[in-house]
Amino acid sequence: DAKTTQPTSMDCAEGRAANLPCNHSTISGNEYVYWYRQIHSQGPQYIIHGLKNNETNEMASLIITEDRKSSTLILPHATLRDTAVYYCIVRVTGNQFYFGTGTSLTVIP
Amino acid sequence: ETGVTQTPRHLVMGMTNKKSLKCEQHLGHNAMYWYKQSAKKPLELMFVYNFKEQTENNSVPSRFSPECPNSSHLFLHLHTLQPEDSALYLCASSQSGFTNQPQHFGDGTRLSIL
Repeated sequence: DAKTTQPTSMDCAEGRAANLPCNHSTISGNEYVYWYRQIHSQGPQYIIHGLKNNETNEMASLIITEDRKSSTLILPHATLRDTAVYYCIVRVTGNQFYFGTGTSLTVIP
Repeated sequence: ETGVTQTPRHLVMGMTNKKSLKCEQHLGHNAMYWYKQSAKKPLELMFVYNFKEQTENNSVPSRFSPECPNSSHLFLHLHTLQPEDSALYLCASSQSGFTNQPQHFGDGTRLSIL
């Protein structure tokens, strides 16, 4: 599975959009992009996933560039409860999920 | 999320004890997973079960013994653990191991070895 690169940490003001980038320049055509988050002392929570089209659900939006070499997770109106570590994972169907070190997002009041 | 339930939430045991961690999923999934998360480290996949059959063992020491009696339940039996085994143990489930559907996690068991 392709390797991902994420910033170590980010801050976001409460109520503003949080835009979390992920670089996956070696992604192959059949690899999906998944986003999870982990709030301290809890299990990872699935957020969203996609192949090449942009996706939106009740939690977030996923924007995948046309060449699929990078993606952005957007939390439209960040709240204090969105403070967590966010993981970007690329995976071929049938392979396992490999979690890296993610981005630690802090939402500031 | 209450779809995957793990018990106990916290466990303290001595190195000579035997204990078991339990995971139950109410999502109708057919694949279940055990992960280990040590402090400041990424999640490490330990075991994978698809339709009750073990399909992956990531070189886990034999002092960890998984059991999957049916697609809804997964156990991790612990015996003669070492201090470095102290970690958060996470269970996950997915529709199967062979789709693009995501895994869903429980909140883990925090294990401390004395």
